[in-house]
Amino acid sequence: DAGVIQSPRHEVTEMGQEVTLRCKPISGHNSLFWYRQTMMRGLELLIYFNNNVPIDDSGMPEDRFSAKMPNASFSTLKIQPSEPRDSAVYFCASRPARDPYEQYFGPGTRLTVT
Amino acid sequence: AQKITQTQPGMFVQEKEAVTLDCTYDTSDPSYGLFWYKQPSSGEMIFLIYQGSYDQQNATEGRYSLNFQKARKSANLVISASQLGDSAMYFCAMRQSTGGFKTIFGAGTRLFVKA
Repeated sequence: DAGVIQSPRHEVTEMGQEVTLRCKPISGHNSLFWYRQTMMRGLELLIYFNNNVPIDDSGMPEDRFSAKMPNASFSTLKIQPSEPRDSAVYFCASRPARDPYEQYFGPGTRLTVT
Repeated sequence: AQKITQTQPGMFVQEKEAVTLDCTYDTSDPSYGLFWYKQPSSGEMIFLIYQGSYDQQNATEGRYSLNFQKARKSANLVISASQLGDSAMYFCAMRQSTGGFKTIFGAGTRLFVKA
């Protein structure tokens, strides 16, 4: 099993540009989570999907952030326009539909907005 | 409201000694799951151990054990025989049984193992 795959691993962009982060969950997992990690705010849940449907997006900071999951094997997190305060590590995690429901994290995407 | 509290921002332990990382939680769900994850300096999040709210016995995984005290709503992680490679950030997390099984994380505890 390849694990959760995220791309790119590192992204450096200028303020105002659109950024798209990608995630491929583990095959057979039915839940997918997007987290943001910063020194100041720790690990924050942005949004999560069950069976490709967004269940809770209350953690999405503002309208500049959007996430999609068009199918069970792919999800994107988009920031448009990006701002320096969006600089963080963004993790994607997936989870199987069986007990104990532990999450498997991807390696993260380190985003730097200058 | 669901909440996870880790009150120790940083901990030091001597190599080969045991260490306890504290975690308290708050939930109104009768059924929930508690997890610990390790994040080394390389950045990946590694699942360590799980405890279900109805489990009668404390969970153990190798050198990791979870001291689950349901009445006190605590789920402390005990690492026995600490190794230098245990130096990392440790996160406690809780999965609720409602609302799509959302998982929330604590702020984390950074563990430093001294040689």
